[in-house]
Amino acid sequence: GAVVSQHPSWVICKSGTSVKIECRSLDFQATTMFWYRQFPKQSLMLMATSNEGSKATYEQGVEKDKFLINHASLTLSTLTVTSAHPEDSSFYICSASAPGLPVTGELFFGEGSRLTVL
Amino acid sequence: RKEVEQDPGPFNVPEGATVAFNCTYSNSASQSFFWYRQDCRKEPKLLMSVYSSGNEDGRFTAQLNRASQYISLLIRDSKLSDSATYLCVPSQDSSYKLIFGSGTRLLVRP
Repeated sequence: GAVVSQHPSWVICKSGTSVKIECRSLDFQATTMFWYRQFPKQSLMLMATSNEGSKATYEQGVEKDKFLINHASLTLSTLTVTSAHPEDSSFYICSASAPGLPVTGELFFGEGSRLTVL
Repeated sequence: RKEVEQDPGPFNVPEGATVAFNCTYSNSASQSFFWYRQDCRKEPKLLMSVYSSGNEDGRFTAQLNRASQYISLLIRDSKLSDSATYLCVPSQDSSYKLIFGSGTRLLVRP
């Protein structure tokens, strides 16, 4: 199946710093990528939908100036958590889809990035 | 009403048991439905897709009741490796935008 790679898998940073998470589709061109966030014992919450070459569409309640998303190529989307605070500590997961992939609802997920802000 | 509601569990069952999870969804326009499995600190993985009234894949059976907006997942002959969180996911439209339920946690004990 299609492979999506996410990096870093975990990161610890100081409060106030910015952290960039990368999501790459390794063997297909991902026209659309989704970014999710998951707090402990909670569901995956969709943060934004990222389309290659255009601005991301953010879900209600997600600050677009805090969570910067760039989808500059068909194989790479990045999420930057700016001025991170302890409440931003979470598990961030990306997923990707593309025309031609089986229309089964099987989104291909990255391995996730666990962010801890001290 | 939440878009997707699931019993959080945990369901604690012995190996070999049969266990069923329920899920209700609020969007009557949902056309496709999925069960994902998520292991602790890992990404979710597709377990089953449900398009019509239901389907079966080995030990797993999914059923859909559109009138009641209800989906179920039945696991027969539970294995230790089935221990995970099971996420109910109705598809909102054709754009692959998935809204996940909070999941039901299953613990299978020896």
